[in-house]
Amino acid sequence: SQQGEEDPQALSIQEGENATMNCSYKTSINNLQWYRQNSGRGLVHLILIRSNEREKHSGRLRVTLDTSKKSSSLLITASRAADTASYFCATNPGGYNKLIFGAGTRLAVHP
Amino acid sequence: DGGITQSPKYLFRKEGQNVTLSCEQNLNHDAMYWYRQDPGQGLRLIYYSQIVNDFQKGDIAEGYSVSREKKESFPLTVTSAQKNPTAFYLCASSPRLSTDEQYFGPGTRLTVT
Repeated sequence: SQQGEEDPQALSIQEGENATMNCSYKTSINNLQWYRQNSGRGLVHLILIRSNEREKHSGRLRVTLDTSKKSSSLLITASRAADTASYFCATNPGGYNKLIFGAGTRLAVHP
Repeated sequence: DGGITQSPKYLFRKEGQNVTLSCEQNLNHDAMYWYRQDPGQGLRLIYYSQIVNDFQKGDIAEGYSVSREKKESFPLTVTSAQKNPTAFYLCASSPRLSTDEQYFGPGTRLTVT
């Protein structure tokens, strides 16, 4: 069963614009992670935010976590064409030592 | 150069044949995972292993089998019992069985006709 669901399913923007993707989940979590996947490739870990954290930054990435709303957002600032990829959130239902991935947001950044 | 390798990148098989996908890691990780990805969907966990000679079924284990005879290797066999085997298969590892970061291989695209 899907734990995390990303929104929107697809996002198309111009270079230089910001991209925001959202993830909602259903049960309590230990942490929430964001991964990136280029077409036909493996996933690359971007950032992990723990349940007791509210915001985290990594370069042009900003992740927020609202455990009361069971949601997270990933913001990519000043996007580049190279940011074109699918972005997945991954969560772990409380007590399980495994990750459950959402269906992803497909981001297209046009030059 | 540390990482996870999967081979081959593309694999074609006839229906009714078993096929084994390779996954090797030199990260000295204890835990390894196999996921299946279908178009427009997230990853679904097939099997995972937290240590050599131990593995557990994930959410969609039917029609698949694995072995973990060496720490570095976690091959996945897609058997003829798997009703819809055409998919993109991803192997991952982590230092230990936990919910922290996983490291992914490049994937194998399996097509069964």
